[in-house]
Amino acid sequence: DQQVKQNSPSLSVQEGRISILNCDYTNSMFDYFLWYKKYPAEGPTFLISISSIKDKNEDGRFTVFLNKSAKHLSLHIVPSQPGDSAVYFCAASAGNNDMRFGAGTRLTVKP
Amino acid sequence: DTGVSQDPRHKITKRGQNVTFRCDPISEHNRLYWYRQTLGQGPEFLTYFQNEAQLEKSRLLSDRFSAERPKGSFSTLEIQRTEQGDSAMYLCASSHPRTQSSGNTIYFGEGSWLTVV
Repeated sequence: DQQVKQNSPSLSVQEGRISILNCDYTNSMFDYFLWYKKYPAEGPTFLISISSIKDKNEDGRFTVFLNKSAKHLSLHIVPSQPGDSAVYFCAASAGNNDMRFGAGTRLTVKP
Repeated sequence: DTGVSQDPRHKITKRGQNVTFRCDPISEHNRLYWYRQTLGQGPEFLTYFQNEAQLEKSRLLSDRFSAERPKGSFSTLEIQRTEQGDSAMYLCASSHPRTQSSGNTIYFGEGSWLTVV
């Protein structure tokens, strides 16, 4: 049951441009959403989160947008840097229950 | 470094053997989670503990898998009679009670790679 979906397996952007990673979910009970970043052979690293009572959360170059009616969230990275190249996972949870992850999007930022 | 620590980082074992992974969570984190990740997929939930109590187990956790957290600190994940399909990265994560009421942020360790040959 794929409750969290990242439909783009990969994304390539030029350094300095905006990266937009998308995520869709099906479970309307999800109330907390997170983005994780993963480098090869390492565990995922927490990046940014958003509660369902908000529609935007910003942290430096990273902004997460939540559209509850569309069950869609996105991560914007501006400006993109080569060090941002990694796999990005979207995750969601309902209450304090276990977290569900998408399959990930591989971001490549070209110099 | 006071992050989540996992050991061993890599394990190659023959089919049918038993393997055990250890996880030390971040200090003062009362919840500890085990996830599994295979190539091209996101982490899949296996089980979690609140202190020493195992509160939830995924149907992915077959009878060959057992997890313990006897003193509410470190945890072990044992896989008995390993199969080739068990080859994956096993991720441990933990979370602090302070974050659990407003949205539960979990922090992962580096992962333990298992290869069953």
